[in-house]
Amino acid sequence: SQTIHQWPATLVQPVGSPLSLECTVEGTSNPNLYWYRQAAGRGLQLLFYSVGIGQISSEVPQNLSASRPQDRQFILSSKKLLLSDSGFYLCAWSKPRGRYGYTFGSGTRLTVV
Amino acid sequence: AQTVTQSQPEMSVQEAETVTLSCTYDTSESDYYLFWYKQPPSRQMILVIRQEAYKQQNATENRFSVNFQKAAKSFSLKISDSQLGDAAMYFCAYRRGNYGGATNKLIFGTGTLLAVQP
Repeated sequence: SQTIHQWPATLVQPVGSPLSLECTVEGTSNPNLYWYRQAAGRGLQLLFYSVGIGQISSEVPQNLSASRPQDRQFILSSKKLLLSDSGFYLCAWSKPRGRYGYTFGSGTRLTVV
Repeated sequence: AQTVTQSQPEMSVQEAETVTLSCTYDTSESDYYLFWYKQPPSRQMILVIRQEAYKQQNATENRFSVNFQKAAKSFSLKISDSQLGDAAMYFCAYRRGNYGGATNKLIFGTGTLLAVQP
């Protein structure tokens, strides 16, 4: 069966420090991968998605970047965190076909101080 | 572009009662899928139910069922015999049909926060 792992679960980082959040998927190949951000009590904002190794699409301009160095690995990064980067970050994967929904990781709660 | 609208930011239901969460969507496609996701306080996103647009029969999963009105572009979620564990944010979502590639993203509504009163 397919599983998705996301870590760390919580992170407190100072302003200006770098960020690296990692997400890996097991049990499938060539998944579509996604990074979302969610502010408290708010909806989901799609940040990045990837349909293959090295293929990254950005939905919104921001202080973050994403990479996909391996088929089932998706990394969210920042060189210098801002206070506004605080939030809950969710990784998700899906098969390319529309009949499949997304399967989400357990999320990372990031607090920038 | 496709859009998903959830017009009820918050809802409340008594334990053991039934509640219906509303969702409407806009699309010109004929082949698509609709989903309801639950996000409890743990913030883990959980797929509750899925509906294929080509199926007239409403999907059902235990106490959860949908009322899919394709012509009206409406997709409501009914929760029967509500339990305390049903308290969560519920997101309605839309995805185009069998298209691969970068354009086939899941489009979410803004969510409905459901409270269950004991």
